[in-house]
Amino acid sequence: DIQLTQSPSFLSAPVGDRVTITCRASQGVNSYLAWYQQKPGKAPKLLIYAASTLQSGVSSRFSGSGSGTEFTLSISSLQPEDSATYYCQQLNTYPTTFGQGTRLEIE
Amino acid sequence: QVRLVQSGPEVQRPRASVRVSCRASGYTFTDYYIHWVRQAPGQGLEWMGWIDPKSGGPNISRKFQDRVTMTRATSIGTAYLDMSRLGSDDTAIYFCARSQMATLSFDYWGQGTLVVVSS
Repeated sequence: DIQLTQSPSFLSAPVGDRVTITCRASQGVNSYLAWYQQKPGKAPKLLIYAASTLQSGVSSRFSGSGSGTEFTLSISSLQPEDSATYYCQQLNTYPTTFGQGTRLEIE
Repeated sequence: QVRLVQSGPEVQRPRASVRVSCRASGYTFTDYYIHWVRQAPGQGLEWMGWIDPKSGGPNISRKFQDRVTMTRATSIGTAYLDMSRLGSDDTAIYFCARSQMATLSFDYWGQGTLVVVSS
């Protein structure tokens, strides 16, 4: 199975800052990578698909990049509502797998 | 609007079985795969498998193949996850989610169903 490793596992940043989360795959996944946001007690919400395409209705403060084995999710102009756990997911090879998650705290 | 509505919480004894349902609305049920993903308390996301509502064909993760069944009832737009021989490590929230193809991301999710396995 393809392993996805996210870094960092925890991130704290003030309102207005820009942060970047990295997702590294144990083997190439082309651009079949998605990013999700999950808040406590809620289902994950799709933010980015195909590595860099913003899901409809998602704030343009979110952006994704990368291909192959290294991907990033960036969030600009942090807002309090961005406090959540973020997961990457590869869909190139089944079983689809998720990263372990990055918890983002807004100071 | 697209909605995936799951059945309510379950408490089951060890070695029992459980069924979780996922009722879809707001789109053509047979046009999208239904996936099942679980999340143990305080843990990450684990994909269990998908069902193609058009064909009824499932693709179940090797980890669960011997005790998980995925089915659907197209007339009522509902997918089902059946899991047998439950153990305490099956305590988790179980989510259904849809994707238009296997290689596409999960754009809508159900609200989750808590399954607790406890004696």
